[in-house]
Amino acid sequence: QSVLTQPPSVSGAPGQRVTISCTGSSSNIGAGYDVHWYQHLPGTAPKLLIYGNTNRPSGVPDRFSGSKSGTSASLAITGLQAEDEANYYCQSYDNSLFVVFGGGTKLTVL
Amino acid sequence: EVQLVESGGGSVQPGRSLRLSCTASGFTFGDYAMSWVRQAPGKGLEWVGFIRGKAYGGTTEYAASVKGRFIISRDDSKSIAYLQMNSLKTDDTAVYYCTRDKRGRDYWGQGTLVTVSS
Repeated sequence: QSVLTQPPSVSGAPGQRVTISCTGSSSNIGAGYDVHWYQHLPGTAPKLLIYGNTNRPSGVPDRFSGSKSGTSASLAITGLQAEDEANYYCQSYDNSLFVVFGGGTKLTVL
Repeated sequence: EVQLVESGGGSVQPGRSLRLSCTASGFTFGDYAMSWVRQAPGKGLEWVGFIRGKAYGGTTEYAASVKGRFIISRDDSKSIAYLQMNSLKTDDTAVYYCTRDKRGRDYWGQGTLVTVSS
């Protein structure tokens, strides 16, 4: 059971918009800690997608966006493409656990 | 170009030890905290621990699941981070990644597989 809760799977057709939620508590996201998002294709190194809740590293398309409110955060992907099919993880910090990850969400492009 | 290369993985029996290395290049290694993150087969990412940069004393923090068994250290002169894993359990079977810590984990290595089995 992960400290941060994500849906196990989401799906969407090419061109559509999908969102992935990340729900925490008052000891992590709700305590004001930043949320980061990673994209992970099996067999490859995970890639930082969003840092500091809303910021994209250089090279990440603006189709990816992040938001945070209260004890939750969300990753939105617009203009879905086949290459976006991957596992997505949120990550934050916790008062007593230091670094915490969500359980991961598998995105399927239909 | 930032590069992180893990090495030292392999198969080991329960109760034994193994040391992983993460060789870094392309940045001033001592200025950054470094983490180890693992992924067990069929599971998600799990933070293992991190070591702060020299400006913060190079102190360490660990996940509860490994605290007291794993030790993270660093050699800034060689740009290498280490993960010493003792008293290994079958649950420690995973791909182990090292990461550079800046605004999240901004760079990741390709990972090294550790299999703990009798």
